[in-house]
Amino acid sequence: AQSVAQPEDQVNVAEGNPLTVKCTYSVSGNPYLFWYVQYPNRGLQFLLKYITGDNLVKGSYGFEAEFNKSQTSFHLKKPSALVSDSALYFCAVRDGANAGKSTFGDGTTLTVKP
Amino acid sequence: EAQVTQNPRYLITVTGKKLTVTCSQNMNHEYMSWYRQDPGLGLRQIYYSMNVEVTDKGDVPEGYKVSRKEKRNFPLILESPSPNQTSLYFCATGQLAGGTTDTQYFGPGTRLTVL
Repeated sequence: AQSVAQPEDQVNVAEGNPLTVKCTYSVSGNPYLFWYVQYPNRGLQFLLKYITGDNLVKGSYGFEAEFNKSQTSFHLKKPSALVSDSALYFCAVRDGANAGKSTFGDGTTLTVKP
Repeated sequence: EAQVTQNPRYLITVTGKKLTVTCSQNMNHEYMSWYRQDPGLGLRQIYYSMNVEVTDKGDVPEGYKVSRKEKRNFPLILESPSPNQTSLYFCATGQLAGGTTDTQYFGPGTRLTVL
């Protein structure tokens, strides 16, 4: 069975500071990893993904994530947070051997204060 | 414009009254999926479909049915809704590449309340 853990329900940072939202995963095959963002009263939007290749993945709005196979982690990062980054962030995993099944974390609420 | 549409967006109903939430996409995606979002539980996958006439259970399929008779539509059916199915429901679509799915595109959500 595959699983995703987002250990922090809430992350608070000051505007201009770097931010990290943590994600660890468990799959039996090759992991396909994704980050999505949900703004209030909206659907989820894709941020970035890791399928294969370079462990550092760059995505939308200046976000990036690093795939760490040994630590089974895929933390989301941004060098300088904006107030507009405040939202709910979801990490998701798919097992390469089970194409259709997706597992999402419980979500982390990011609050960026001016 | 590429779109995933869900109808209705809001629904209040009573226990046992059958309902259908529709999902339609205009991106010609093979893959479609339904999720429910509950506070503190993230998104949980209900059913997914890799193509027309091909559906599979996700993590929480009990109490739900789906069908995929045509590529663009993937309705979610609650034959006898119960209060524990009160939730925010999202439909998602995606392309297949190399036999697996890639990025998912989400609809705007349907907020269902079962009294």
